[in-house]
Amino acid sequence: NAGVTQTPKFRILKIGQSMTLQCTQDMNHNYMYWYRQDPGMGLKLIYYSVGAGITDKGEVPNGYNVSRSTTEDFPLRLELAAPSQTSVYFCASSLAGYNEQFFGPGTRLTVL
Amino acid sequence: DQQVKQNSPSLSVQEGRISILNCDYTNSMFDYFLWYKKYPAEGPTFLISISSIKDKNEDGRFTVFLNKSAKHLSLHIVPSQPGDSAVYFCAAKASGSNDMRFGAGTRLTVKP
Repeated sequence: NAGVTQTPKFRILKIGQSMTLQCTQDMNHNYMYWYRQDPGMGLKLIYYSVGAGITDKGEVPNGYNVSRSTTEDFPLRLELAAPSQTSVYFCASSLAGYNEQFFGPGTRLTVL
Repeated sequence: DQQVKQNSPSLSVQEGRISILNCDYTNSMFDYFLWYKKYPAEGPTFLISISSIKDKNEDGRFTVFLNKSAKHLSLHIVPSQPGDSAVYFCAAKASGSNDMRFGAGTRLTVKP
């Protein structure tokens, strides 16, 4: 039981490049989330999903896209990377909205 | 707007003593509160939660207190252990919302 896994662990992008951050959970959780954490700040919700085929925006969705074709996977897409997207990205999952969330180890992204 | 605030960026306590971490919130719609613990290079892990219908929840060495009138919650760790040294995040959500808001975190150092 691996929990929530994220790849890659680290990535450096040039301005304007695109990439996909991968997230997989093996707990059969319905809910999945993407957060970003900037230095000295709390986590901010980017997008979430309440089940396969259903996604919705969080607090800071601009510049990102998501899809949820399976229960297990919830990739986050950056289309045109900008320096403001330099951050640590965490994926999380939960059984339902009121359950605690389980987090992956994070992806540290730098955009230069 | 920062709806969840942790005004102390850091706290240092002696092993065996009590650690008290504080959190304030501004949104009166929040009715579910959680504390997460985070070690470096790892994702946050769930510690303890409390619903707004309670004013106290205890789990071993960890107790969370909620003062709804003051919009304030606190996490007590007794006795503190060196392994408790981590960043602690307070989080809150409103009923029917999937948008969990996090504070900026408090770095706890427990000295042997």
